Amino acid sequence: EAQVTQNPRYLITVTGKKLTVTCSQNMNHEYMSWYRQDPGLGLRQIYYSMNVEVTDKGDVPEGYKVSRKEKRNFPLILESPSPNQTSLYFCASSLRGLGRVNQPQHFGDGTRLSIL
Amino acid sequence: DAKTTQPPSMDCAEGRAANLPCNHSTISGNEYVYWYRQIHSQGPQYIIHGLKNNETNEMASLIITEDRKSSTLILPHATLRDTAVYYCIVRFHAGGTSYGKLTFGQGTILTVHP
Repeated sequence: EAQVTQNPRYLITVTGKKLTVTCSQNMNHEYMSWYRQDPGLGLRQIYYSMNVEVTDKGDVPEGYKVSRKEKRNFPLILESPSPNQTSLYFCASSLRGLGRVNQPQHFGDGTRLSIL
Repeated sequence: DAKTTQPPSMDCAEGRAANLPCNHSTISGNEYVYWYRQIHSQGPQYIIHGLKNNETNEMASLIITEDRKSSTLILPHATLRDTAVYYCIVRFHAGGTSYGKLTFGQGTILTVHP
């Protein structure tokens, strides 16, 4: 089954304790992206990756890191989490498309992070 | 990307067609209309997209007016599982500085009742 898998689904942790949220897709998609969703603010892009070893900042990258060493995986790293990073996080992937044509995106089920 | 306007909420009886409107009066010639939905706190789900012709897939139909300033997403036989927030997005089909990025507005909360 084609899917985007995020882990963990829920996490409660404390300020400053490094954490990683994993994202894996089995559709051979080139494009992957991380979003956070907060009430009243909608979906905001954190980082994205056009392909292996190619990553770039989205709209709200501060406090986050990513890596794309393999095509299927795109982990989100919070080196020193803070309470303002408490949010619902989504990973998404899509084919890149010839000529940078936007493709429908597939989303994971989300990771709810609480930073105390 | 062009701005969209959707009603905040709508109701629909189970088994009936749900017609969700979207206004996008500032849409440009090379922008497509996309629809996604999000069932409570789950990941957004792609539904359909189109440029100017009506489109249909296994989930829904998309009707775009001739002037392209508005569109309607039609769920032909709504079920309780279709209760979700529906987002209408207008975005360039290719390239642009916002390639790949999805920006959701407030969307329409569709409630399907028995």
